[in-house]
Amino acid sequence: AQKITQTQPGMFVQEKEAVTLDCTYDTSDPSYGLFWYKQPSSGEMIFLIYQGSYDQQNATEGRYSLNFQKARKSANLVISASQLGDSAMYFCASGGGATNKLIFGTGTLLAVQP
Amino acid sequence: KAGVTQTPRYLIKTRGQQVTLSCSPISGHRSVSWYQQTPGQGLQFLFEYFSETQRNKGNFPGRFSGRQFSNSRSEMNVSTLELGDSALYLCASSFGTSGQYNEQFFGPGTRLTVL
Repeated sequence: AQKITQTQPGMFVQEKEAVTLDCTYDTSDPSYGLFWYKQPSSGEMIFLIYQGSYDQQNATEGRYSLNFQKARKSANLVISASQLGDSAMYFCASGGGATNKLIFGTGTLLAVQP
Repeated sequence: KAGVTQTPRYLIKTRGQQVTLSCSPISGHRSVSWYQQTPGQGLQFLFEYFSETQRNKGNFPGRFSGRQFSNSRSEMNVSTLELGDSALYLCASSFGTSGQYNEQFFGPGTRLTVL
């Protein structure tokens, strides 16, 4: 069974600083994907970044990058130059195989302070 | 390109009633997945439909069911509502291509309150 662990229930960061949100995963699938989603208070889930288990390079999308360490089974999200609009809940998720089933972690609530 | 739409956005029901939620995926997407989000259990996978067939199912009682139509729109139904069914129900759509990863796009959710 797959499991996602996010050990930081909440975090504060100053505007314009970088922040790292932790995520570790446990899966028996030989091929899998790791996802990060942002959920503002309005409720919708916004896709941020994806890393495939066979990808050689860490994924980057604008201010978001994924620090993928396969041996340590970690997939941390790095947000550079934090903005006030980054304040939200962040979820790490894994998916694998032939289905679209995503397993989510418990999330990290990020608060960006001016 | 229109995003994923869910209706209704808010719903209040009483225990014992049943409810039907609707999800219209992005045009061209054939896979629709449903998730339940509660403060206690977090985000949990309910089921996925692809080309009108249930392709995967989570660990929920039979009171939770779904279906998908030929235009890929999906509905989920919860019968005999319980207080614990109060949650945000999210649907996600994707191309659903088997054997490779598909970016999933989520709708705004339906917030169900059971009184």
